Amino acid sequence: QVQLQESGPGLVKPSETLSLTCTVSGDSISSGYYWGWIRQPPGKGLEWIGSIYHSGSTYHNPSLKSRVTISVDTSKNQFSLKLSSVTAADTAVYYCARVQSMIDPKTDYWGQGTLVTVSS
Amino acid sequence: QSALTQPASVSGSPGQSITISCTGTSSDIGGYNYVSWYQQHPGKAPKLMIYDVSNRPSGVSNRFSGSKSGNTASLTISGLQAEDEADYYCSSYTSSSTFVVFGGGTKLTVL
Repeated sequence: QVQLQESGPGLVKPSETLSLTCTVSGDSISSGYYWGWIRQPPGKGLEWIGSIYHSGSTYHNPSLKSRVTISVDTSKNQFSLKLSSVTAADTAVYYCARVQSMIDPKTDYWGQGTLVTVSS
Repeated sequence: QSALTQPASVSGSPGQSITISCTGTSSDIGGYNYVSWYQQHPGKAPKLMIYDVSNRPSGVSNRFSGSKSGNTASLTISGLQAEDEADYYCSSYTSSSTFVVFGGGTKLTVL
């Protein structure tokens, strides 16, 4: 059974960098899928952040401009998200997930999600 | 504002059928057969219900079905049950620089 688990600080100060890690079990991060991040502000809908392949190839939502960095550590079977210069608008539940491919956004396994609050 | 348009809410009685629409453009839904639907209960992670327009993952009830016509995809739930009450989101590949777009979500109420 594939499982994903997000980890990282639940509180980040404005203008600082949000950092989250997703640990994958039950599948190899080099298995051929993409691995992605999706967020959901409280009471709102889902927003695609971006995805990464085990080779390091990434694609992300341009609305987040250059604030997003997604990386992968195949030795630890983990991938990570960094979002810089955060504001209150970045407060959300952040999910990591397994994605079928760059063109097929079928997301079949999700982490439980982690709430990140941006506040001083 | 979401790239894909869904009704904010739909409702139905147990045993009835309901359909949730998801409208996009020729750059996403209309141009590709990569539409997925997700069910989300309060406080839970989304669950994949339909992928590639009309395919059901293993373990998903056959009461759930998906289809597409032009720029609009649809999720139909037949034989409504109380546990179907949840939020539903559509998503699609898009040829825009975003790659993936979601709908704004539809709250299904089982009366």
